[in-house]
Amino acid sequence: EVVMTQSPATLSVSPGERATLSCRASQSVKNNLAWYQQKLGQAPRLLIYDSSTRATDIPARFSGSGSATEFTLTISSLQSEDLAIYHCQQYNNWPYTFGQGTNLEIK
Amino acid sequence: EVNLVESGGDLVQPGGSLRLSCAASGFTFSGHSMNWVRQAPGKGLELVSWISSSGTTTLYADSVKGRFTISRDNAKNSLYLQMNSLRAGDTAIYYCARYGSGTYYQYWGRGTLVTVSS
Repeated sequence: EVVMTQSPATLSVSPGERATLSCRASQSVKNNLAWYQQKLGQAPRLLIYDSSTRATDIPARFSGSGSATEFTLTISSLQSEDLAIYHCQQYNNWPYTFGQGTNLEIK
Repeated sequence: EVNLVESGGDLVQPGGSLRLSCAASGFTFSGHSMNWVRQAPGKGLELVSWISSSGTTTLYADSVKGRFTISRDNAKNSLYLQMNSLRAGDTAIYYCARYGSGTYYQYWGRGTLVTVSS
C-alpha cells in the first residue's frame, strides 16, 4: 500500500499570504495525485487532479505541482473562506490512499 | 447536476449489522463505477470499497474484506453497502463517491454517520 504523508499537520497563514502544503508518497505515483478541500461539517471537494489540473470552478489561486513522490498545493493569496482541511490522494496503485490531512488556519 | 444522497447510518452495537444506501441522480448511473469512502472522527479519509458499473467486479480495503459487501441496483440508481460484524473502528461518516474522468473522486454525497458502540 502507498503511504501518503502530508506536512505540516497544521498551517497558520495570514489573509493575502501564500500557503504551501506538501504531500509525499512512499513510492512513485507518477502524476496520479489529487487534492481535496474539506470545510467543517462538509464532504470533501475536489480541487486538483492529475497533480496540477484545477477542477471545475476552482479559483486560480489554487495550484498544484509535483510528480513521482513529491507534491505541493499552493494557495497564492489566502482568503478567509479557505479555512479547511486539505487532503491529498494517490490513484496510481490500488488501494487508493489518502494523506492524513493538513489543517489550514487563518492567522 | 450529479447528486448523491446517502442514508442508513445509525448507532449499532459491536458485532451488529447495518445496510447503507446511496441514491444517485443527475447522471447515467449504470455507466459509472462507484465507491464508498469513510472518515473516522477527527481522522483522514479511507477508501472502503469499489464496484464496477455492471456490478460484476468489486474491490475492498483489507480492513473491511470479508465483513462488508458492496452492491448496486442500476434499475433503481442505487448503491449499497452491507456491513456485518461491525467494530468500534468502523465508526465513521460513510460517503458515496463517483470518479471524474480519471480515478479521483469528483462527486461526493454528504455522508451518513455510522456509530458502533455498546
